[in-house]
Amino acid sequence: AQSVTQLGSHVSVSEGALVLLRCNYSSSVPPYLFWYVQYPNQGLQLLLKYTSAATLVKGINGFEAEFKKSETSFHLTKPSAHMSDAAEYFCAVTNTGGFKTIFGAGTRLFVKA
Amino acid sequence: EPEVTQTPSHQVTQMGQEVILRCVPISNHLYFYWYRQILGQKVEFLVSFYNNEISEKSEIFDDQFSVERPDGSNFTLKIRSTKLEDSAMYFCASGGDNSPLHFGNGTRLTVT
Repeated sequence: AQSVTQLGSHVSVSEGALVLLRCNYSSSVPPYLFWYVQYPNQGLQLLLKYTSAATLVKGINGFEAEFKKSETSFHLTKPSAHMSDAAEYFCAVTNTGGFKTIFGAGTRLFVKA
Repeated sequence: EPEVTQTPSHQVTQMGQEVILRCVPISNHLYFYWYRQILGQKVEFLVSFYNNEISEKSEIFDDQFSVERPDGSNFTLKIRSTKLEDSAMYFCASGGDNSPLHFGNGTRLTVT
């Protein structure tokens, strides 16, 4: 069975600072991994996905994530935070051919001016 | 870009009443899902649907819940007798082969 752990329910950064949101996964088979963002009162929007191609994945809004099999991690980064990045971020995992995507508990990102 | 649409955006119902949440998935997708997010909590898997049948469901998806694809476009979630603890945001999602899920904006269900 697969699972996802997001370290830190809240992360606060200053505008212009590096954003690092941590995600570790557990999966018995090669996983597909995703990051979703949720703005207040909205649905889940896909930021980026890893599907066994390049290990460094670039997504929308300047975000990227690196799949590290040895560390079972898929951390999300952005070099320079913007105020508009303030939102809830969810890491998710699904098995290849699986019917269920499992979400982490989410990390709320605060960006200070 | 095609998107998943959900109606209504907000549903208020009394405890014990039946509710039907509606979703129109992306037209060429084959896999359909319902997720739930209780306020301030994580996104929880409820059920997946493929080839006109449930392919997987969670322990949350008990006999009070059912899903249906009544025609070629709609995908519905029915809660037969709502409880206070059913109050949550319900998200519909759809996906194709080896593609990520596309989510709707959700229906906020409030049970009073």
